[in-house]
Amino acid sequence: GAVVSQHPSWVICKSGTSVKIECRSLDFQATTMFWYRQFPKQSLMLMATSNEGSKATYEQGVEKDKFLINHASLTLSTLTVTSAHPEDSSFYICSAPGPPSYNEQFFGPGTRLTVL
Amino acid sequence: RKEVEQDPGPFNVPEGATVAFNCTYSNSASQSFFWYRQDCRKEPKLLMSVYSSGNEDGRFTAQLNRASQYISLLIRDSKLSDSATYLCVVRRGKTSYDKVIFGPGTSLSVIP
Repeated sequence: GAVVSQHPSWVICKSGTSVKIECRSLDFQATTMFWYRQFPKQSLMLMATSNEGSKATYEQGVEKDKFLINHASLTLSTLTVTSAHPEDSSFYICSAPGPPSYNEQFFGPGTRLTVL
Repeated sequence: RKEVEQDPGPFNVPEGATVAFNCTYSNSASQSFFWYRQDCRKEPKLLMSVYSSGNEDGRFTAQLNRASQYISLLIRDSKLSDSATYLCVVRRGKTSYDKVIFGPGTSLSVIP
């Protein structure tokens, strides 16, 4: 199968700092990646769609200036949470459409962000 | 109304029990349907795709009724390892590049 990695797996930061989360497709290319957020006891909510070589597409209600997305290469997308606040504490998960033989998205292991 | 709704749960069942999860979706143009399982603090993992003709994978059976916009998952002979949250997932298109919508999930605990 296809593997998607995320780094870091968890991060604790002070309020007001920025945090960068990396999402990599390890053995396949991904021109598109998806970023999700999951609050405790809730389901995954799509935040944005990251596109290599062009601007990300954000879902309604997601602030693009707060959640900066950069799809720098065919295997890497980054999400930067700028000026993080405690309400941004969440589980952030990325996914990528699999190689042509797979009709599914492959998910990264997630990054747990805690903002103090 | 949420686009994908599921039984709120939680379901607590003894080992060996049969358990059924229900899911409904509101967008009739939805093209693809899945069940995922998510363990605590982990990413969701694909359990199975759901086809109109119904499909089975070992102890798991999934059904889709497009007319009723209803999806189900049946787990037979429950194991302790089946304890997880089960997510109903609907995709608006036919390819993996299309957005997916996750249901709120139903928690299952299989008890010894």
